Amino acid sequence: DIQMTQSPSSLSASVGDRVTITCRASQSISSYLAWYQKKPGKAPKLLIYAASSLQSGVPSRFSGSGSGTDFTLTISSLQPEDSATYYCQRTYSTPLTFGGGTKVEI
Amino acid sequence: EVQLVESGGGLVQPGGSLRLSCAASGFTFSSYWMSWVRQAPGKGLEWVANIKEDGSEKYYVDSVKGRFTISRDNAKSSVYLQMNSLRAEDTAVYYCARYWGGGWFDPWGQGTLVTVSS
Repeated sequence: DIQMTQSPSSLSASVGDRVTITCRASQSISSYLAWYQKKPGKAPKLLIYAASSLQSGVPSRFSGSGSGTDFTLTISSLQPEDSATYYCQRTYSTPLTFGGGTKVEI
Repeated sequence: EVQLVESGGGLVQPGGSLRLSCAASGFTFSSYWMSWVRQAPGKGLEWVANIKEDGSEKYYVDSVKGRFTISRDNAKSSVYLQMNSLRAEDTAVYYCARYWGGGWFDPWGQGTLVTVSS
């Protein structure tokens, strides 16, 4: 099975900072990657699909890039409401594996 | 508005059974695959199962194969997860989600907590 590895596992940044989270697949997954935001007690929220497509309604400060094995989620200007855990997910074929998560603290 | 509402969680003893339900509204339920995803306490997200629009195809993560069964009732716009032979490691919040053909989940329900403990 393809493994998804995120780094860092946690980070602390200030409002207005540019934040980058990395996700690495154990083998090539083309652009079959999604990103989610998860806050405690809330449902996960889809941010990015197909590696770089912004889900409708998601602020444009979120962006995704990459293909093959290396992907990034970037928050261009961190806002207080962005405090959450972010997960990447290998899409398209089962098993649909998630990365271990990156906790972002403000 | 698209909405998914899970129910049926609770406390169950190891080896026991539980049936989760997810009621969907706001979209044509019979036109979409559906999924269950779980999150154990303090852990990350784990995909559990998928079911095709007409129920003819089902897929499971290896750890639940032979114990869990996903099903759906399109007339009731509902998807279910029958969980048998439950283990402590099945303790988690279980989320229902709409599954898109490209392989991502959107939206998700609020989740229902399943606790397996004696």
